[in-house]
Amino acid sequence: ELKVEQNPLFLSMQEGKNYTIYCNYSTTSDRLYWYRQDPGKSLESLFVLLSNGAVKQEGRLMASLDTKARLSTLHITAAVHDLSATYFCAVDMNTGNQFYFGTGTSLTVIP
Amino acid sequence: DTAVSQTPKYLVTQMGNDKSIKCEQNLGHDTMYWYKQDSKKFLKIMFSYNNKELIINETVPNRFSPKSPDKAHLNLHINSLELGDSAVYFCASRLGQVGGYTFGSGTRLTVV
Repeated sequence: ELKVEQNPLFLSMQEGKNYTIYCNYSTTSDRLYWYRQDPGKSLESLFVLLSNGAVKQEGRLMASLDTKARLSTLHITAAVHDLSATYFCAVDMNTGNQFYFGTGTSLTVIP
Repeated sequence: DTAVSQTPKYLVTQMGNDKSIKCEQNLGHDTMYWYKQDSKKFLKIMFSYNNKELIINETVPNRFSPKSPDKAHLNLHINSLELGDSAVYFCASRLGQVGGYTFGSGTRLTVV
């Protein structure tokens, strides 16, 4: 079974700082997805990464995919309080049948 | 218009009861899923249907039975509810094999 690990699990950072969340997975795949979940809410799609070297940016968030290293990163630039949420990566085994979700990273941005 | 709608949003019930959660999507997606999110926020797939056909049936107690009357609907029926069934259940849908999931708002099930 595909294993997807995120780190850190919990992240507390000050506003204005930069940080990176890492997503490692155990089996070959070139499809990786990032989601955001606010407390008590559903999951919202952030990025879809479909090839080695893919990089996507939206506002203060940038995601990248290195399929050879089986690693994706979610980089946060100049964090603001509104980014506080839980972030999940999810990997598709190229069968198209299902996602395997990471453990989630709970991000708190402190003023 | 809500893309993936789940009802009810909250469900509190006693042990031993039977309950159903409904899911409908108006996106024209071919595949629908049920995921369970536990208290540690871990998401695990339960079932997947593609055009009304069951394609994924993970190791889930057979008290859980999905039903897909058409490709826009996927319901989840749970018999003889147990305390350990308390969780948030998410329905999701997907177009093709490359796009991301669109999630429903979730159903928070509490078994007392």
